Amino acid sequence: AQTVTQSQPEMSVQEAETVTLSCTYDTSENNYYLFWYKQPPSRQMILVIRQEAYKQQNATENRFSVNFQKAAKSFSLKISDSQLGDTAMYFCAFMKPRGAGSYQLTFGKGTKLSVIP
Amino acid sequence: DAMVIQNPRYQVTQFGKPVTLSCSQTLNHNVMYWYQQKSSQAPKLLFHYYDKDFNNEADTPDNFQSRRPNTSFCFLDIRSPGLGDAAMYLCAIGGKREEEFFGPGTRLTVL
Repeated sequence: AQTVTQSQPEMSVQEAETVTLSCTYDTSENNYYLFWYKQPPSRQMILVIRQEAYKQQNATENRFSVNFQKAAKSFSLKISDSQLGDTAMYFCAFMKPRGAGSYQLTFGKGTKLSVIP
Repeated sequence: DAMVIQNPRYQVTQFGKPVTLSCSQTLNHNVMYWYQQKSSQAPKLLFHYYDKDFNNEADTPDNFQSRRPNTSFCFLDIRSPGLGDAAMYLCAIGGKREEEFFGPGTRLTVL
């Protein structure tokens, strides 16, 4: 079974600063995908960024980037130039194929990020 | 444009009174998922469909059932809601790539 660990229940960052959210995972799979999802208070779960395990290059989406260390099973999220709208719960998630075209998505417990004006 | 639509957004039911939550999608993707998310917790997968094939997670209570009458719609039925079933229920679809897209959720309150 896969486990995803987010060791920081809560974090805060000043507006315009950079913050890094940590995530580690445990798996024996070789083919898998990693995600960061954002869930603002009382709002929809949104996909922030994805990483294929077979790719060495770290994924980047505008102000969001990851540091994927496959050997260490680490997948951290860096948010640059933090904005007030980044305030949300952030979930790290691990996905593996389960056959027949469907996948199993396992979430960490989340990190609550507050951006301070 | 919304890809995953959930109705209602807020549902109140009484202890033991059956309730049905609805999910629809606009992309005709094969896979649909139902998750339960309790306050300040991560989403927990209840079951999923690949086309009409239903897949139940081993620890999903029998109180939870699901129907998928066609590709676009999927329903979550809670036969006898208990206080512990109060939660946000999230529907998600499997994308063409290995991704899941979530709906806005239905917040269920059990009185």
